[in-house]
Amino acid sequence: AQSVTQLGSHVSVSEGALVLLRCNYSSSVPPYLFWYVQYPNQGLQLLLKYTSAATLVKGINGFEAEFKKSETSFHLTKPSAHMSDAAEYFCAVRMNRDDKIIFGKGTRLHILP
Amino acid sequence: NAGVTQTPKFQVLKTGQSMTLQCAQDMNHEYMSWYRQDPGMGLRLIHYSVGAGITDQGEVPNGYNVSRSTTEDFPLRLLSAAPSQTSVYFCASSPGTLRTQYFGPGTRLLVL
Repeated sequence: AQSVTQLGSHVSVSEGALVLLRCNYSSSVPPYLFWYVQYPNQGLQLLLKYTSAATLVKGINGFEAEFKKSETSFHLTKPSAHMSDAAEYFCAVRMNRDDKIIFGKGTRLHILP
Repeated sequence: NAGVTQTPKFQVLKTGQSMTLQCAQDMNHEYMSWYRQDPGMGLRLIHYSVGAGITDQGEVPNGYNVSRSTTEDFPLRLLSAAPSQTSVYFCASSPGTLRTQYFGPGTRLLVL
């Protein structure tokens, strides 16, 4: 069965500090991976995606993520947090042989002034 | 383009009532899906469709029906609402599963 796990339902970082949001997946075949962001009372929008090209993927708003097959991970990072980054972030996975896109439970990012 | 639209934005139902959540997109996307979002549970896939006339079950399909008679529309039906179906429902569409999913604004459903 496919699954995606996001470690930490809440993460707090100071403004200007490194943001690291963790995502691990379980799969016997190479997956396709996505990070989405949801601002309060809004729908989701895509930050970035990995579709078997470069393992380091750059997204919008300064975010990037690295696909590490050996660790089955796709962690999201941003070098310097901004107050506007406060939101909920979702990791999602699609397996090669399946059309389902499964989301993790989400991580709410809090930015401390 | 209007993108992905969902109606209604908010609905209150009594247990046992039926209703249809509407979802429409004007981007000619083949892939459409329905998710429900609950606190601490993230988004869970209810049903999805890879094209007109084709639907399949997601992670939590029980209590929900879908149909895809046209490319544009993907309604979600609750035949007999239960309090456990209180949630926020999101519809999404994309040109394909490897492409960006575009989400609607959501429908907030309360079942009493």
